Amino acid sequence: KNQVEQSPQSLIILEGKNCTLQCNYTVSPFSNLRWYKQDTGRGPVSLTIMTFSENTKSNGRYTATLDADTKQSSLHITASQLSDSASYICVVTPKAGAGSYQLTFGKGTKLSVIP
Amino acid sequence: DSGVTQTPKHLITATGQRVTLRCSPRSGDLSVYWYQQSLDQGLQFLIQYYNGEERAKGNILERFSAQQFPDLHSELNLSSLELGDSALYFCASSAGTSGGGWDEQYFGPGTRLTVT
Repeated sequence: KNQVEQSPQSLIILEGKNCTLQCNYTVSPFSNLRWYKQDTGRGPVSLTIMTFSENTKSNGRYTATLDADTKQSSLHITASQLSDSASYICVVTPKAGAGSYQLTFGKGTKLSVIP
Repeated sequence: DSGVTQTPKHLITATGQRVTLRCSPRSGDLSVYWYQQSLDQGLQFLIQYYNGEERAKGNILERFSAQQFPDLHSELNLSSLELGDSALYFCASSAGTSGGGWDEQYFGPGTRLTVT
């Protein structure tokens, strides 16, 4: 069964600090890996999308990395802001033909940034 | 604002009842996806429609059904509701023009369903 595991489940950091969120997946082969940000009570918003051949992708203060060999991805947030408080979800799309291209979602890491 | 609208925002109903959730995709998007997000669970893909036709099916219960209308809006019907159906239901839309799961999905604000 395709799975996406994220750690930690929750994280509290001080405003201005950096943090790194982890994602391990078993989906193989995969088409792409995305990171979404989901504010409480709202729909997810895409932050980055990477193919299996990409190692890193940045979007402002968000940088995602991917190691396809170890099936691990991380999302690094630099100089955190209060507005970064949200759940961050790792999503893997299986390659078409490997069942379907339905997205497989992790349960997310809940990040709280405090003053 | 993603451009995807969902109604109602909140819904409270009793066990055994039937409800309909509505989704209007972004202008020009042909694909609509439905997801369920229960407390402490990740988003679960339910079903996808593309230009009126069912394209992919996920973990959708037989008590649930969906359709996409000619104007491309979609409805998710939930029947014989159980307490465990309480969740956030999200609709997403995409242009539906690329294959292999590359379409960017834009999520609506969700409908919070509470079954009592």
